[in-house]
Amino acid sequence: QKEVEQDPGPLSVPEGAIVSLNCTYSNSAFQYFMWYRQYSRKGPELLMYTYSSGNKEDGRFTAQVDKSSKYISLFIRDSQPSDSATYLCAMIGGSNYKLTFGKGTLLTVNP
Amino acid sequence: DGGITQSPKYLFRKEGQNVTLSCEQNLNHDAMYWYRQDPGQGLRLIYYSQIVNDFQKGDIAEGYSVSREKKESFPLTVTSAQKNPTAFYLCASSMGGRKETQYFGPGTRLLVL
Repeated sequence: QKEVEQDPGPLSVPEGAIVSLNCTYSNSAFQYFMWYRQYSRKGPELLMYTYSSGNKEDGRFTAQVDKSSKYISLFIRDSQPSDSATYLCAMIGGSNYKLTFGKGTLLTVNP
Repeated sequence: DGGITQSPKYLFRKEGQNVTLSCEQNLNHDAMYWYRQDPGQGLRLIYYSQIVNDFQKGDIAEGYSVSREKKESFPLTVTSAQKNPTAFYLCASSMGGRKETQYFGPGTRLLVL
């Protein structure tokens, strides 16, 4: 079983839709969870950083962590064409410094 | 402007040639990282450095070498031993410590002639 599983998509939605992106993980040592957005041929940029189980909101973005189920989500409300990108989940914890990434989900928001 | 710079944006390598990718940061971060990104593979860690003059191998270090002589610089050399070097290379940095977020540079695309 891979440490982090993320559906690669592609996911295509109309403008204004609510988007749900998800990752599951197997390593219970993971404590810190991140979502990165990566536009084509660019470096990833940090969107959300969470530690505990529960929700964290920032504008149109909400990150959700359920440690008991080893499941994290990113919700995008009122999606815009500018949200079209690859979204990467990442997590870290335990005794090492290695950030473990999901493979990314490609999202397209159609105007 | 504070941030991470990578150069060049595109790099072409001939057979048997070593090439060096540059990564510089002015964020005063202690830790720096090199990742390789291939389509459908996600990001894979090549090398990382938590402090000057010290670095550790990541998951796919074979065929690569690094140095960390200055806090702000972490160059990556892709040697001729790396048989499949075509990829998008990303440098990142963080304050250090397990909970610190990593911030990424714009990337270098390496192509083999």
